[in-house]
Amino acid sequence: DGGITQSPKYLFRKEGQNVTLSCEQNLNHDAMYWYRQDPGQGLRLIYYSQIVNDFQKGDIAEGYSVSREKKESFPLTVTSAQKNPTAFYLCASSIEGTGGISYEQYFGPGTRLTVT
Amino acid sequence: GENVEQHPSTLSVQEGDSAVIKCTYSDSASNYFPWYKQELGKGPQLIIDIRSNVGEKKDQRIAVTLNKTAKHFSLHITETQPEDSAVYFCAARSSNTGKLIFGQGTTLQVKP
Repeated sequence: DGGITQSPKYLFRKEGQNVTLSCEQNLNHDAMYWYRQDPGQGLRLIYYSQIVNDFQKGDIAEGYSVSREKKESFPLTVTSAQKNPTAFYLCASSIEGTGGISYEQYFGPGTRLTVT
Repeated sequence: GENVEQHPSTLSVQEGDSAVIKCTYSDSASNYFPWYKQELGKGPQLIIDIRSNVGEKKDQRIAVTLNKTAKHFSLHITETQPEDSAVYFCAARSSNTGKLIFGQGTTLQVKP
């Protein structure tokens, strides 16, 4: 059963703690993305990676970090420097990031992070 | 900067009626326009998309139209059903970066 998995579905943390969100895909996609979604708003890009061992900042990268050591995994760390970390975090993947003929992005089920 | 404007923000229709959601984009070189449906607490699901070399695309009750000159594209849902109730997002692919730029979303309510 192919797809994108994110875990956990709900995550609670105390202010000042770093937290890592998991994203795994078995679609053999090259590109992976992290988005943040706040209530009543669209999706904003945090980081993206077009190939293993490479990633770029999106529009709201401050306070976040990522790694891409394996093709199927793209974990996101929300650091204590992120001023408003409470949000719904979505991971996505696509066959090719740029320059390809397939642009479709597919999303995981999301992780809802609450920081108090 | 590049942006996508989506209207309306909320839309309520009776079951069986049609629903239309419109988006306007700023990057005239954008070449790919997907639509996503997001149910409460879930990730967005790609429902239909269109490329810049096509004016219209249909998939059963769903269609998307693209007007490159006016830089806008629309989602049309016919014979709406209660299960169509969700938040719908449009997006445009940036020609510079390849990233998707998303609209703010439309909450569609289909009343039985």
